[in-house]
Amino acid sequence: DTGVSQNPRHKITKRGQNVTFRCDPISEHNRLYWYRQTLGQGPEFLTYFQNEAQLEKSRLLSDRFSAERPKGSFSTLEIQRTEQGDSAMYLCASSLVKGSSGNTIYFGEGSWLTVV
Amino acid sequence: QKEVEQNSGPLSVPEGAIASLNCTYSDRGSQSFFWYRQYSGKSPELIMFIYSNGDKEDGRFTAQLNKASQYVSLLIRDSQPSDSATYLCAVTATTDSWGTLQFGAGTQVVVTP
Repeated sequence: DTGVSQNPRHKITKRGQNVTFRCDPISEHNRLYWYRQTLGQGPEFLTYFQNEAQLEKSRLLSDRFSAERPKGSFSTLEIQRTEQGDSAMYLCASSLVKGSSGNTIYFGEGSWLTVV
Repeated sequence: QKEVEQNSGPLSVPEGAIASLNCTYSDRGSQSFFWYRQYSGKSPELIMFIYSNGDKEDGRFTAQLNKASQYVSLLIRDSQPSDSATYLCAVTATTDSWGTLQFGAGTQVVVTP
C-alpha cells in the first residue's frame, strides 16, 4: 500500500504524559501536513512541511506541540504534558507540489488520541 | 478571519435522488476548492477538486464553483446508501495558493432506501 501511513492508530494516555505520532507520507510527495479533528468539526490545520522545512504553523499549535520532518520523509508530532482537550484525531496528509500543477492533499487514516 | 461554512445537516435524501450540498467561503482570494467524504470514524477521502468557475463532473458527482458569489457546491446524482457520510468542503488559504486547506464543519448526508 502506498498511501499515507500513520501510527499508532489509537493511543490512550494519562493527562500529563507525552505522546508521539508518526506519519509516513506517499513516497514521492514533498509536502506533509498535520491536522487535528474533533467530533462534529472539520479538520483544523496545525502545521506543514515542504521537504524538511516547516513552513507554517497554526496558532493552534501551542508550545506543547512540536513536529519534525528530519530528512524530508517521515514526520513526527509530539504532544508534551497532554491535556484532556488534546483528545482528538490527528490526521497526517501529504501532497506533491510541482510548479503550477496544483496541490491535491491525501489523508492518512488518522491517529486517535484519548487523554484520561 | 477566514471561514468556510456548510449546513451541518443531516440532509436526508431518498435513494436514487440528487443530493445538493453547498459551501460558502469568506476569503475572496481563495483559488482551490475541494470536496472530501468522511465516513464515521474514518479519515477524509478526496472526491473532487475544482479550480475554475463553472461545473466539473466526475461520475455521479458534479462540483460547481462561483467565485463571484464565493460558493462551491456538490451534487450527488443517483444517491446510494453508500453515499451516507459527512461531506467536507475545503478551500486553500491564499497565503499559499498551493498550501494549507481550511475546512468547513461538514454536511451529514443520509441516503434512505
